[in-house]
Amino acid sequence: AQRVTQPEKLLSVFKGAPVELKCNYSYSGSPELFWYVQYSRQRLQLLLRHISRESIKGFTADLNKGETSFHLKKPFAQEEDSAMYYCALSGTNSGYALNFGKGTSLLVTP
Amino acid sequence: GAGVSQSPSNKVTEKGKDVELRCDPISGHTALYWYRQSLGQGLEFLIYFQGNSAPDKSGLPSDRFSAERTGGSVSTLTIQRTQQEDSAVYLCASSLGVGKNTEAFFGQGTRLTVV
Repeated sequence: AQRVTQPEKLLSVFKGAPVELKCNYSYSGSPELFWYVQYSRQRLQLLLRHISRESIKGFTADLNKGETSFHLKKPFAQEEDSAMYYCALSGTNSGYALNFGKGTSLLVTP
Repeated sequence: GAGVSQSPSNKVTEKGKDVELRCDPISGHTALYWYRQSLGQGLEFLIYFQGNSAPDKSGLPSDRFSAERTGGSVSTLTIQRTQQEDSAVYLCASSLGVGKNTEAFFGQGTRLTVV
């Protein structure tokens, strides 16, 4: 069975502080991992995927197969980063449909 | 249109009535997915289409739920005899095809409230 766990429902940090949103997964195979973000009153959109190994809006995420984790990190949080973040896994079943974690609400305060 | 379009944006219906939710994917996208976002359950996969075919309906919560897609484009999700537990935001996403690392583009969702 595949599962994505985001242990924090809410994460509050001060502007300029580092932020790490945790994501752990279980999957018997080689999954594809993604982070999706939903800003207030906007639609869900892709932030980054592990295969790209890129930094988007200062965020990075490294796939750790040993720890089955895909934590999202940013060294200096900005107020505009406040949003709902979803970690998602895609495998070969269900047409590579996304299996989402329950999401973490990030609040960056001045 | 530039993105995935869903209609209506909001729907309030009485318990026991049928509802139809519509999704217009991005032109040229052959894969289409329906998800449900509800409090406490997060985002759940419902069904996907490859072209007009729905190979996997395992995510549909009950036989009151059905979906179809015509012309490889528009999809309709139908919920019959709605119940209060059907209240949720229903999201549609489309992608160029079914495969690894294919980016899914989401619509703005339809908020369904069953009273």
